[in-house]
Amino acid sequence: DGGITQSPKYLFRKEGQNVTLSCEQNLNHDAMYWYRQDPGQGLRLIYYSQIVNDFQKGDIAEGYSVSREKKESFPLTVTSAQKNPTAFYLCASSVRNRETQYFGPGTRLLVL
Amino acid sequence: QKEVEQNSGPLSVPEGAIASLNCTYSDRVSQSFFWYRQYSGKSPELIMSIYSNGDKEDGRFTAQLNKASQYVSLLIRDSQPSDSATYLCAPRGDNNDMRFGAGTRLTVKP
Repeated sequence: DGGITQSPKYLFRKEGQNVTLSCEQNLNHDAMYWYRQDPGQGLRLIYYSQIVNDFQKGDIAEGYSVSREKKESFPLTVTSAQKNPTAFYLCASSVRNRETQYFGPGTRLLVL
Repeated sequence: QKEVEQNSGPLSVPEGAIASLNCTYSDRVSQSFFWYRQYSGKSPELIMSIYSNGDKEDGRFTAQLNKASQYVSLLIRDSQPSDSATYLCAPRGDNNDMRFGAGTRLTVKP
């Protein structure tokens, strides 16, 4: 089965805690993206990566960090500096940065 | 002015009718345009892409693009209850940034 997987489906964060959201793809896509979606709002870009060991900040990178050590993996860490982390987090990938993006199933992050 | 504007809805149409979803964008250099469908609690899935002015048809879906007016639309013919979802418009600019609208919520009533 080819596709994009995200885990966990639901994640709970305590105050001051860093949490990491997983995103894996077996589509051999070069580019990967992280978006955040809040109710009634469009998707906002957090970080994206066009190739391994390289990534760029999106519009709302503050309080988040990423790594791209392998082509198939692009984990997102929500740090304690992100004061309003409750949202639906979506990972996407594309063949190259100019191509159509396909989305994983998402992770819903809630604060305890 | 928002970069991508969509009527939030809800847009309600009877089963079998044509649903018309509209989107305007502010980035004049946007070159490609995407429509995604998002069911409640799920991730977006690609419906159509369009790159040139005019119409593009795919089954019951037709995308229409007018770059001069900075306007893109999606028509859904013979609407079905299963089409009930939020539809996201996403232009992509020359710098490859994809910008998403907040979406239009469509309800198709049996």
